[in-house]
Formats: sequence, structure tokens, C-alpha cells
Amino acid sequence: AQKVTQAQTEISVVEKEDVTLDCVYETRDTTYYLFWYKQPPSGELVFLIRRNSFDEQNEISGRYSWNFQKSTSSFNFTITASQVVDSAVYFCALLNTNAGKSTFGDGTTLTVKP
Amino acid sequence: NAGVMQNPRHLVRRRGQEARLRCSPMKGHSHVYWYRQLPEEGLKFMVYLQKENIIDESGMPKERFSAEFPKEGPSILRIQQVVRGDSAAYFCASSPTTGDQYFGPGTRLTVL
Repeated sequence: AQKVTQAQTEISVVEKEDVTLDCVYETRDTTYYLFWYKQPPSGELVFLIRRNSFDEQNEISGRYSWNFQKSTSSFNFTITASQVVDSAVYFCALLNTNAGKSTFGDGTTLTVKP
Repeated sequence: NAGVMQNPRHLVRRRGQEARLRCSPMKGHSHVYWYRQLPEEGLKFMVYLQKENIIDESGMPKERFSAEFPKEGPSILRIQQVVRGDSAAYFCASSPTTGDQYFGPGTRLTVL
């Protein structure tokens, strides 16, 4: 069975603060993908990043960075210098490439106050 | 290349009515997945289909829910005799193989 845990239900920060969203996963598969999605108040899912289980390189994209640690089964997401527009629900997901279905965490609601 | 399309975007039904949700995958994608997001929760897998075949329906409620992906036309998620607890956002995703998923904008179902 697969499981994705986002232990932080809600996080509130003040603009320009850095914030890290945690994601811990469980799977027996050796090949899988990890994702982060943003869900703004409008409700759609915005794809942020995909990570292959064989690629543990950390990635940076503008103010966003991701830390994939296979040894601790974690895939954490950091927003640097947060902005009000970053306010949203963020989901971490695990894709079983053999079965085809994704398992989502329950999401972390990030509120960035001006 | 248009993304995954879902319609309607919003659907209101009274208890006991039927709801039909449509998903048109991206061009060239033959795999379709349906997920349900209840209020304040994450997305939960419902069903995985390929053309004319249901591959995995382990997340589908046993009664009132059905899904199809015909040879021609969109994938349909059908909910019969809707109840208030069916109110949720229903997301469709498609992929060319099982290696990735592209999500549609979702259909928000409200049952009165």
C-alpha cells in the first residue's frame, strides 16, 4: 500500500518569510514519481514539479526549491521570500508507475499574510 | 495541444438525480484516471481506464458510480441517484502511458 503524509495541515507566514512544506511517503515500489501541486482558491490543480525515484538531485526553480531524500522517504518543498500570491493548498503526490494511479497527501494550506 | 478538458465545470443536481461528468483527454493520451476531492480533503483515486477497458476501479464506490471510456468520445463518470455526500470536485487526468498524469480543471458537483 502507498501512503503520502503531509503532517502540516495549515501554515501561516508573513510575506518575505521562507517556508518549508513537508512530505513523507511510503511505497514498496522501486520506481515511482513524486509530485507537488498547487491548488489556489479557484480550485484547479497547478503542476509544480515531478521527480523520478532515481533522481535525487535537488531542484530550484525561481523562489521554489525541492529536497528529495530517498533515505528518509521525504520530498520537501521550500518557498523562499514568500508572497501573498503563494497562498494556496499544496499537495504532494506519489505515482505508482506500474499501477498508474496517484496517491495524494491531504494537503497543506499555506497562508501568506502581507 | 489542448490540455485535459472537463465539462461541465460546475454541476448542480437535486438528490436522486443523475450526474454525468465528461473528460476529454489530451490528444494522443489513451489512459484516463478519475479522482474525487471531498471538501477540505486531498484527491482520492477512483478509477483508471484505457479505451473500452476498466483497468483499476478499486477506488470506486460499489453502488451508483460507473465509468466508461469508449472507443470514440470522452470518458464519462456517471453517478446515479446522487446524495449530498457526493458533493465534491471530480478531477480527471490523462496520460500517454502510465508514467505521468495531466490533470483537468475539475468538475464541481453540488447536490442540493
